Amino acid sequence: AQSVTQLDSQVPVFEEAPVELRCNYSSSVSVYLFWYVQYPNQGLQLLLKYLSGSTLVKGINGFEAEFNKSQTSFHLRKPSVHISDTAEYFCAVSVNRDDKIIFGKGTRLHILP
Amino acid sequence: DGGITQSPKYLFRKEGQNVTLSCEQNLNHDAMYWYRQDPGQGLRLIYYSQIVNDFQKGDIAEGYSVSREKKESFPLTVTSAQKNPTAFYLCASNDRGTGNTIYFGEGSWLTVV
Repeated sequence: AQSVTQLDSQVPVFEEAPVELRCNYSSSVSVYLFWYVQYPNQGLQLLLKYLSGSTLVKGINGFEAEFNKSQTSFHLRKPSVHISDTAEYFCAVSVNRDDKIIFGKGTRLHILP
Repeated sequence: DGGITQSPKYLFRKEGQNVTLSCEQNLNHDAMYWYRQDPGQGLRLIYYSQIVNDFQKGDIAEGYSVSREKKESFPLTVTSAQKNPTAFYLCASNDRGTGNTIYFGEGSWLTVV
C-alpha cells in the first residue's frame, strides 16, 4: 500500500526567504502526486500536481515541486515567501486507476516578519 | 458556480445523538470522499464512493455510515458509536479524467457537548 511522509510538522521561515517543504512517498507502482494548501478553517486547495512528463511542476502562488523517482520524493519549493503563504500544506499520493488518495500529516508554514 | 457544498459549517451534538453532515457536488464527478481532520494527524479517510449505490470503508470507518443514492450527494452520519467525534470533516470529489485530482468542500466543524 502507498504511504506519504511529510518530514517536518512545522517550518518557520523569514518573509522573502526561500522555503522547501519535504515529502516522501512509498509505492510499488506508478503514482500521481499532489500538494494542497489549507488556510485556517477552510477546505484544501490544489497547489500543483504531477501526473507524468516533466519532473518539475509549477503551481499557483509561485510554488513548484520536483518529482524524484529514485529518491521517492516530491518536495515543494518557493524562492521567496510572503506573509500570505502562512498555511498548512499537505502532500498526497494516489495510484493509477485507484481512487484511494492518501494524505500526509501536513506541514505548517510559519512566516516570520 | 461549480463546486462542493458542505452543510452545516458548524454543528453541535449531544452525546448519544446521531448527526448527519451534508455534502453536495455539481461537478459531475463519480467519486466522492469523506475525510476527518484532527490537529497533527492530517486527513484520515472515513469512507469513499466510486459510483452511485456503492461505497467502501476507509481507514477509520467505525462509528460512521454513508449512503450514495444520487451522484451529486454523499451524506455522512456520525453515530453515537463514534467515541470521539469532535473534529473537522471534509468532503471531496474526484475528477478522474485529470489524474485523480481531488476537490474539497469548505468543511464542517462538529463539536460534541
